[in-house]
Amino acid sequence: LAKTTQPISMDSYEGQEVNITCSHNNIATNDYITWYQQFPSQGPRFIIQGYKTKVTNEVASLFIPADRKSSTLSLPRVSLSDTAVYYCLVGWGAGSYQLTFGKGTKLSVIP
Amino acid sequence: EPEVTQTPSHQVTQMGQEVILRCVPISNHLYFYWYRQILGQKVEFLVSFYNNEISEKSEIFDDQFSVERPDGSNFTLKIRSTKLEDSAMYFCASSDIQGKQYFGPGTRLTVT
Repeated sequence: LAKTTQPISMDSYEGQEVNITCSHNNIATNDYITWYQQFPSQGPRFIIQGYKTKVTNEVASLFIPADRKSSTLSLPRVSLSDTAVYYCLVGWGAGSYQLTFGKGTKLSVIP
Repeated sequence: EPEVTQTPSHQVTQMGQEVILRCVPISNHLYFYWYRQILGQKVEFLVSFYNNEISEKSEIFDDQFSVERPDGSNFTLKIRSTKLEDSAMYFCASSDIQGKQYFGPGTRLTVT
C-alpha cells in the first residue's frame, strides 16, 4: 500500500480557498487517490476521488500532476463547518479494498 | 442520499461480555466493511466482506471477532469476549462495484 504524507494541521480564515497537498511517491499504476473528511465522533465522509489530472465536484477539486506522486485537495471559500480532519488515501479504487487511513490534516477554519 | 446506519449509537459493556454491533449498508451495495477508531487515533481497517464471506481482514480481527450478514439488509460485527482495549468507535462502511466507501455514523463501544 502506498504511503501518504500530508501536513498535520492547517489554519484558514473563512471565505478563503484551502489547498491541502498530499505526497504519495510510491503510488502504483492501478491506485486511485481518494480524500475523506471526518468530523469529531462521526464516520469519515467521501469527498472526492481521482486518477489523474483534475476532478471537480460540488464540494471540492482534486489536482493530480502527470507523475501522480502528489495530489492537492482544493476547498473553495471554506466556512466554519469545514473544520475537520481531511484524509488522503491511495489504493485500488474499485471493488473491495481496505482503506488505510493516516493521521490526516486537521483543518481549522477561523472566523 | 442513501446512508449507512448503525445501531446502537453507544454500547456500554463489561469486560468479558459479548457484544453485537449492527449495521444496515446502502441497499444496492455489495461490499461491506468494519473499521474502528480508538479515541484520538487513526481509523483502522478490521475486515471486508463480499459474497457472504470475508475478503480481507487485519491483524486486529482475531478469533474474538466475527462478522455476519444474517439477512438481506443487516451486517453485524460480534466481539465474543470484550477487553478494555476494544473500547473504540466502530464504523461500518459499504461500497458498490466502483469502490467508493460510505461510512455509517459509528457505534461508540465502552468496555468497563
